Amino acid sequence: SQQGEEDPQALSIQEGENATMNCSYKTSINNLQWYRQNSGRGLVHLILIRSNEREKHSGRLRVTLDTSKKSSSLLITASRAADTASYFCATGDDYKLSFGAGTTVTVRA
Amino acid sequence: DGGITQSPKYLFRKEGQNVTLSCEQNLNHDAMYWYRQDPGQGLRLIYYSHIVNDFQKGDIAEGYSVSREKKESFPLTVTSAQKNPTAFYLCASSTGQGAADTQYFGPGTRLTVL
Repeated sequence: SQQGEEDPQALSIQEGENATMNCSYKTSINNLQWYRQNSGRGLVHLILIRSNEREKHSGRLRVTLDTSKKSSSLLITASRAADTASYFCATGDDYKLSFGAGTTVTVRA
Repeated sequence: DGGITQSPKYLFRKEGQNVTLSCEQNLNHDAMYWYRQDPGQGLRLIYYSHIVNDFQKGDIAEGYSVSREKKESFPLTVTSAQKNPTAFYLCASSTGQGAADTQYFGPGTRLTVL
């Protein structure tokens, strides 16, 4: 079952702009993870935020978590062409993760 | 190099045939997972295993089978009972700590039924 749902489904931005995507989920979580997938490739882990954290940074990535609203956001600052990919949030129980349908980001040169 | 490998990259199957997709990891991870991805969609869990000789069904296990005889290997068989097997298949592994666990993915196998 897919617990996370990303919004928007697709996003097109100019190089240098920021990209923001959101993830909503339904049940309580221990943590939430974000992954990136380049076209036709496997997923790559980007960042994990725990339920007791509100914000986390990693390079040009900023993730927020609002457990009261059951939502998270991923911000990519100063986007580059190499950021073109699909981005997925994932939540899970003790044994497995559930992935949303993803946000496809296109960065135009 | 440590990592997770999948083979083949592309696989073509005739209707009624069983095919086996390979997944190998040298990360010393206890847990391994198989996902299916259809165009424009997220990942759906087929099977997972947290320890050798044990595995559990995921959300869409019908028409698939797995084995976990070695820690490093988690092959997936797509049987003729799977009605619509054309998809992108991803294998992943993790240390097995559950939801706190980062998953490491292989490059995927694209299966096409002719």
